[in-house]
Amino acid sequence: EDQVTQSPEALRLQEGESSSLNCSYTVSGLRGLFWYRQDPGKGPEFLFTLYSAGEEKEKERLKATLTKKESFLHITAPKPEDSATYLCAVLSHGSGNTGKLIFGQGTTLQVKP
Amino acid sequence: ETGVTQSPTHLIKTRGQQVTLRCSSQSGHNTVSWYQQALGQGPQFIFQYYREEENGRGNFPPRFSGLQFPNYSSELNVNALELDDSALYLCASREAGDTQYFGPGTRLTVL
Repeated sequence: EDQVTQSPEALRLQEGESSSLNCSYTVSGLRGLFWYRQDPGKGPEFLFTLYSAGEEKEKERLKATLTKKESFLHITAPKPEDSATYLCAVLSHGSGNTGKLIFGQGTTLQVKP
Repeated sequence: ETGVTQSPTHLIKTRGQQVTLRCSSQSGHNTVSWYQQALGQGPQFIFQYYREEENGRGNFPPRFSGLQFPNYSSELNVNALELDDSALYLCASREAGDTQYFGPGTRLTVL
């Protein structure tokens, strides 16, 4: 069964203190791995799509990387406005074109000034 | 802004009632998926519609049903509401690629 586990569940950082969020996955043939940011009470906002091991994507202070078993979201010199829940999701080849994303439970990041 | 809108924003219903939630996708996005997100959890896939046909379904009972219309709008219908149906309901649309773009969600409370 496809599964996604994110760690830690919660992370508190001081402004400027870099860190990484982890997403471990078990899937029957990875078609794509997705990172989203979600603010309280709002819908997930798309950040990155990764397709193959070794791939990296960057956007401002965020960098996502992918291996065969996990993905990392690195946050460099975070600011308070980076506080949010970060969701990881996978799409398997077994899902075909059904679009069934399997999500982790998320990591809630709080950045203190 | 993703161009995906949902209505209403919030909704309160009583157990046993029926509810209809609406989603408007970006123009050209012919695929829409619906997700249920309980508090503190990741979203769970309900089903996907492509060209007005359901072509994928998660582990949800038949009382969850949907419709997709030619004008890129869609509906999620839930019959016989249960307390556990209280959640944030999200729709997500996409074109030919795999990346799904989410709307702001509808918060449903069942009393």
